[in-house]
Amino acid sequence: EAQVTQNPRYLITVTGKKLTVTCSQNMNHEYMSWYRQDPGLGLRQIYYSMNVEVTDKGDVPEGYKVSRKEKRNFPLILESPSPNQTSLYFCASSVRLARNTGELFFGEGSRLTVL
Amino acid sequence: GENVEQHPSTLSVQEGDSAVIKCTYSDSASNYFPWYKQELGKRPQLIIDIRSNVGEKKDQRIAVTLNKTAKHFSLHITETQPEDSAVYFCAASRSGNTPLVFGKGTRLSVIA
Repeated sequence: EAQVTQNPRYLITVTGKKLTVTCSQNMNHEYMSWYRQDPGLGLRQIYYSMNVEVTDKGDVPEGYKVSRKEKRNFPLILESPSPNQTSLYFCASSVRLARNTGELFFGEGSRLTVL
Repeated sequence: GENVEQHPSTLSVQEGDSAVIKCTYSDSASNYFPWYKQELGKRPQLIIDIRSNVGEKKDQRIAVTLNKTAKHFSLHITETQPEDSAVYFCAASRSGNTPLVFGKGTRLSVIA
């Protein structure tokens, strides 16, 4: 089954404790991206990756890191989480946008609470 | 960069009525306009999209229209049903290596 898998789905942590949210897709997609969803603010892009070893900042990259060492994986790293990073996070993937297909496939989301 | 404005932020309709959600975009080079539906507690999923070489696209009860001159596009849902209740997001992008930019979403409630 084609899917985007995120882990953990739910996490409560404390300020400053490094955490990683993993994202993996099995569709051989070149493009992967992370979004955060907050009430009234919609989906805001954190980072994206056009292909292996290529990453770019989105609209709200502060406090986050990513890496793309393998095509299927795109982890989101919070080196020192703060309460303002409490949010619902979505990973998404698609075939390379230059091919003009464009459909994003989203993971199920990871709800993060930073105390 | 691209900026997408979406209106209204909330919309309530009676079951069977039509619903219209409108989006405007700023980048005249944008040429791909998808709509995503997010049901409560679920992930966003693509429901329909349109490219700039057409003005309208329909899929059963949903349709999207695009006005390139005015830089706006709209989602139309006819004969609404309770299962249409969700948050709808519009988005825009250029072709090539530019990511989608999303609107802030519209919460549609269909009242039975």
